[in-house]
Amino acid sequence: QSALTQPPSASGSPGQSVTISCTGTSSDVGGYNYVSWYQQHPGKAPRLMIYEVTKRPSGVPDRFSGSKSGNTASLTVSGLQAEDEADYYCSSYAGRNNFVFGTGTEVTVL
Amino acid sequence: EVQLVESGGGLVQPGGSLRLSCAASGFTFTDHYMDWVRQAPGKGLEWVGRITNTPRRYTTNYAASVEGRFTISRDDPKNSLYLQMNSLKTEDTAVYYCARDSHTSLDVWGKGTTVTVSS
Repeated sequence: QSALTQPPSASGSPGQSVTISCTGTSSDVGGYNYVSWYQQHPGKAPRLMIYEVTKRPSGVPDRFSGSKSGNTASLTVSGLQAEDEADYYCSSYAGRNNFVFGTGTEVTVL
Repeated sequence: EVQLVESGGGLVQPGGSLRLSCAASGFTFTDHYMDWVRQAPGKGLEWVGRITNTPRRYTTNYAASVEGRFTISRDDPKNSLYLQMNSLKTEDTAVYYCARDSHTSLDVWGKGTTVTVSS
């Protein structure tokens, strides 16, 4: 199972929006509505930010939103704040009780 | 408070074995699948495997990179998850996280335990 493809980096100024893409195949991203997104600050454990493509867990700001079209999912962070600077990983169910993660995107708040 | 705490990491020689543990608290352990995820130094997240929660019919699934070498198990009365790692390779060096599995995502993560495979 190959890792999902994400851009290595993305950036934006405070208050702006940034969108991160996550490209897979019809066997993972395109085949199931089970895409999730994780935020990871340096030296910390990942935190679930989006699940089932568009849903936000309790406690996650509504500045974070998810979407999907075909084999590509996206995470948008609106109204960027300094604390949003982190690595972001997508993940998808890939069938037969397997999961696959994306390559990761480093988000910088300028 | 919902919490996962990993332990058992350390330095091991190539070809050696190590057993990681994950202690769960603050939620009903038997209601959940559980997973292991790892992160090599400076690299991204890699899903290692999962175990279901059906008593007497636990099912495990693994990433191709660890299939046949790693075994996931659980002890429900002890609220504990385990990862037995055999035939370790240098490329298994990573921080290993246990995570609670909601079937479609991993909604609670531990802080991780570090495994270093080196001679």
